[in-house]
Amino acid sequence: DAKTTQPTSMDCAEGRAANLPCNHSTISGNEYVYWYRQIHSQGPQYIIHGLKNNETNEMASLIITEDRKSSTLILPHATLRDTAVYYCIVRVRSNTGKLIFGQGTTLQVKP
Amino acid sequence: DAGVTQSPTHLIKTRGQQVTLRCSPISGHKSVSWYQQVLGQGPQFIFQYYEKEERGRGNFPDRFSARQFPNYSSELNVNALLLGDSALYLCASSPDFGGGATDTQYFGPGTRLTVL
Repeated sequence: DAKTTQPTSMDCAEGRAANLPCNHSTISGNEYVYWYRQIHSQGPQYIIHGLKNNETNEMASLIITEDRKSSTLILPHATLRDTAVYYCIVRVRSNTGKLIFGQGTTLQVKP
Repeated sequence: DAGVTQSPTHLIKTRGQQVTLRCSPISGHKSVSWYQQVLGQGPQFIFQYYEKEERGRGNFPDRFSARQFPNYSSELNVNALLLGDSALYLCASSPDFGGGATDTQYFGPGTRLTVL
C-alpha cells in the first residue's frame, strides 16, 4: 500500500473552511484514497473516499489532483466538534481489509 | 440502524491473564477487522475475518487470536497479557471483502484494555 504524508497539526477558525492536505506520490492506479477522523478516545469515523474524481458528501469534499499524487479534504464550515485527528489512507482495491494508519493531522478548530 | 458495537467498554487485567473482546458488526456486514491503538499512535491492523475465515493478519504474536461466528460477530482473544498490550482495541465491519468501492470499513467505539 502506498505511503501517505500529512502535516502533523493544523489550526482553523470556526466557521471557516478547513483544508487538510495529503501527499501520496506512490499511489497506484487501483488504490483508493480514504479519509477517517478520530475524536479523542473514540473509534475512527469514516468521512469520504475516492479513486480519481472529486467527491462530496454531507460531511466533506475530497479533491484529488489529476496525477493522483495528492489530495485535499475540505470541511466547508468547520465547527468546534470537527476538532480531531484526520487520517488519510490509500488502500488497494483488491487487497484485504487492512487499513494502514499513519500519524494523521491533528486539526484544532478555534473559536 | 445500529453501528458496530463492542463489549466491554473498559477492562482491567493483570499481567499473564487472558482477555476476550467482543464485536457485533453492522447488520448485513460480513467482514470484521480488529485493530490495536496504543496511546499516541494510529490504529494497527491485527486481523480480518470474512465469512468465518481469516483473510488477513498483521504483525502480532500468536498470543493474539480471533474468530468469527455464523452471525458474523467476532471475538478477539489475547493470552498471557503483557503491559504493552494496554491499548484501545477497535473493531471495524464492512459489507464485503476485497477493498472495492463499497467495501468501506466502519469502526466501533473500541474497548479500552489496561494491563497492570
